[in-house]
Amino acid sequence: DAGVIQSPRHEVTEMGQEVTLRCKPISGHDYLFWYRQTMMRGLELLIYFNNNVPIDDSGMPEDRFSAKMPNASFSTLKIQPSEPRDSAVYFCASSRVGSPLHFGNGTRLTVT
Amino acid sequence: AQSVTQPDIHITVSEGASLELRCNYSYGATPYLFWYVQSPGQGLQLLLKYFSGDTLVQGIKGFEAEFKRSQSSFNLRKPSVHWSDAAEYFCAVGALNIIFGKGTRLHILP
Repeated sequence: DAGVIQSPRHEVTEMGQEVTLRCKPISGHDYLFWYRQTMMRGLELLIYFNNNVPIDDSGMPEDRFSAKMPNASFSTLKIQPSEPRDSAVYFCASSRVGSPLHFGNGTRLTVT
Repeated sequence: AQSVTQPDIHITVSEGASLELRCNYSYGATPYLFWYVQSPGQGLQLLLKYFSGDTLVQGIKGFEAEFKRSQSSFNLRKPSVHWSDAAEYFCAVGALNIIFGKGTRLHILP
């Protein structure tokens, strides 16, 4: 089991550019979560999917953020256009019903 | 509203000493409770979980936690810490929309 795989590990981009973060969940897990971690706000749930369907996106900060899950083995989080305040570590996690979250190693995003 | 409070932002203990990290929660139903550990540059790793049953739960790396419903607490303990335990520890509550505390950073003195 390779665990949750996120790419890239680091992303540095200029304000206004589009950023796409990628996640491959653990095979067999039917829930996928996107979290953002900052010093000020800690870990925040942005959105989660069940069986590839978005269930709760109330944590998505604004319309510049969007997430998709085209199939059970892949999800993306897109920021367009990016802003310096989006700089954070973005985590993807997956789980099954009744099981804890399994986290990826995160993508550290820096927007200059 | 659901919430998790970890009152200690930083804790420093000597290697070999005992450890207790505090966690208080607010949750409308019977809580699912978790402790995760995060090393620098890494994701969060599950230490232990409480869903139901015995209120003293054992986890990995010699950690344990006790669920006290009357105090709305789920404190993490370890009888003797090792230098490799230096990390950030997160308490969490919830089923699907899991809420995390702000974390406690553990420092170990040699």
